[in-house]
Amino acid sequence: GAVVSQHPSWVICKSGTSVKIECRSLDFQATTMFWYRQFPKQSLMLMATSNEGSKATYEQGVEKDKFLINHASLTLSTLTVTSAHPEDSSFYICSVLGAEEKLFFGSGTQLSVL
Amino acid sequence: ILNVEQSPQSLHVQEGDSTNFTCSFPSSNFYALHWYRWETAKSPEALFVMTLNGDEKKKGRISATLNTKEGYSYLYIKGSQPEDSATYLCAQASGTYKYIFGTGTRLKVLA
Repeated sequence: GAVVSQHPSWVICKSGTSVKIECRSLDFQATTMFWYRQFPKQSLMLMATSNEGSKATYEQGVEKDKFLINHASLTLSTLTVTSAHPEDSSFYICSVLGAEEKLFFGSGTQLSVL
Repeated sequence: ILNVEQSPQSLHVQEGDSTNFTCSFPSSNFYALHWYRWETAKSPEALFVMTLNGDEKKKGRISATLNTKEGYSYLYIKGSQPEDSATYLCAQASGTYKYIFGTGTRLKVLA
């Protein structure tokens, strides 16, 4: 399987600032990575599909100008939450599509916007 | 069923007990059904990917079955151990990149 590293594990920021979350595939060349968001007591919801070397594909209702995704290499995708507001506080987690079409996940980032 | 639903939401069992959970999903546009185990502060770990109606998969004391015609999958744990304590997620794939997750079943195994 693939080993996926995600940083930071948690972050607290002030409203209006931007936060960058990194997702690294340590042992697998990932042309595609997925970014999910989970609000309390809800399921993981796909935000966007990140494609190496091209633009990300965003799910309906996800603002592409607010959630910037960069997938410049086969091992790194970043999600930047721009001008974060309290309603963006959530758990964000990335995954890689690996062998047997299994998803391999990072450990997630808990974002709290004050 | 329009969403992926899991039941129960949570349960506590005694060490040594066997238990099972249910994942219900839309039977239309079915591609695959995934099960993941998610321990606190760790990454979700893939358990099974099932695609065919009637599929049964086993990994140690954990097994799963799939009924695509009626839209459900069962996950069984035989002889539960404290280390089995986790949230168990299922996800329906309606295509290679489209996964719809349930809210999970939180299992606590009491020693």
